[in-house]
Amino acid sequence: DQQVKQNSPSLSVQEGRISILNCDYTNSMFDYFLWYKKYPAEGPTFLISISSIKDKNEDGRFTVFLNKSAKHLSLHIVPSQPGDSAVYFCAASARETSGSRLTFGEGTQLTVNP
Amino acid sequence: DVKVTQSSRYLVKRTGEKVFLECVQDMDHENMFWYRQDPGLGLRLIYFSYDVKMKEKGDIPEGYSVSREKKERFSLILESASTNQTSMYLCASSLWGLAARGTQYFGPGTRLLVL
Repeated sequence: DQQVKQNSPSLSVQEGRISILNCDYTNSMFDYFLWYKKYPAEGPTFLISISSIKDKNEDGRFTVFLNKSAKHLSLHIVPSQPGDSAVYFCAASARETSGSRLTFGEGTQLTVNP
Repeated sequence: DVKVTQSSRYLVKRTGEKVFLECVQDMDHENMFWYRQDPGLGLRLIYFSYDVKMKEKGDIPEGYSVSREKKERFSLILESASTNQTSMYLCASSLWGLAARGTQYFGPGTRLLVL
């Protein structure tokens, strides 16, 4: 069973506009969420995270929103830049695993057009 | 600077061969992980290790084994490679404990083709 789901395999936006990537989870034990970014031929790199005690975390152009009641999180990128074109993975961890083990979603390919 | 290296970027093997994928991290991390990435399936955990000689199965351990004899090195072994093990293999490491909250550092990946 897929405990973390990213229902959109791809997203295309114009440079300068907002990109919104979505993620849903089913396991109520998840209490920490992360977004990773992956370029072709490279490993994923950590982008931003959020604890379940918050509903928003911001870092420059990147903001993650968490809606615990809906078991939904989203990543907003404003303004989007061509260099943001990559695959974005949502991931979740649970306190019961000492926060070490991550469960990843399927990924969303973001394309930002100049 | 954090660094995770993988022994090969590309590998081509034949069905039935024994395959070794090596991963080394220089951050003194307790945890190490092996994932495979397939289109539409995301990153799926094969095995992880939270200490030397310790290992735990992930979500898809069948057909794989691992070895961790030293803290900095984590090996993934395909005992008898099959075509359905053609994939991108990613190694990662992280600190142990809630303070690290799961932030993992990844190597560049090994693209394995089994013919």
